[in-house]
Amino acid sequence: QVQLQESGPGLVKPSETLSLTCSVSGGSIRSYYWTWIRQSPGKRPEWIGHMYHSGITNYNPSLKSRVTMSIDTSKNQFSLQLRSLTPADTAVYYCAREDRGWFEFWGQGALVSVSS
Amino acid sequence: DIVMTQSPDSLAVSLGERATINCKSSQSLLYSSNYKNYLAWYQQKPGQPPKLLLNWASTRESGVPDRFSGSGSGTDFTLTISGLQAEDVALYYCQQYYSLPYTFGQGTKLEIK
Repeated sequence: QVQLQESGPGLVKPSETLSLTCSVSGGSIRSYYWTWIRQSPGKRPEWIGHMYHSGITNYNPSLKSRVTMSIDTSKNQFSLQLRSLTPADTAVYYCAREDRGWFEFWGQGALVSVSS
Repeated sequence: DIVMTQSPDSLAVSLGERATINCKSSQSLLYSSNYKNYLAWYQQKPGQPPKLLLNWASTRESGVPDRFSGSGSGTDFTLTISGLQAEDVALYYCQQYYSLPYTFGQGTKLEIK
């Protein structure tokens, strides 16, 4: 069974950069697209973007100027960087495995608060 | 972006009865080359990530009880829960994967009457 686990800081200051890592176990990261999704309190999930192990990436245009994703196949991990944070970026950040567009396996989520 | 709109926002149904949740997309999710609708349904309980229930609008994920069913095509879709059980209390979301960026509906909160 594939399992994903997010790790990273729970509190980040405005204007700083958020860095999150997702560790994948129970399967290779060399298949499928690997995705970041966030969900602000009481809001619908928002797709941030996804990445393939070859380096192919697609980002949500609403966040594209501030997002970078990367993948480390040797560690079976992938990462998210989100720059120039504001309080509006406060959310639970999920990593997930995408299969043909839907998300079958999810991490438990990492709550990130943006506050000074 | 494709806008996904669910109705109702909340719903209260008696145990054992049927719950119906609707999802409408701002453009068709039916891909003409394979006649598949690029829509998924999820269930989310408090403090948990969404759980995939259905893909291709009506294909149940492995392990999902058969009381969950999906229907619809094009721009209008329905999730039906037949014989509501207490553990079905949750938020339900539809999601389109027809085009990037993938987008979700605003969610429907299902409660017991």
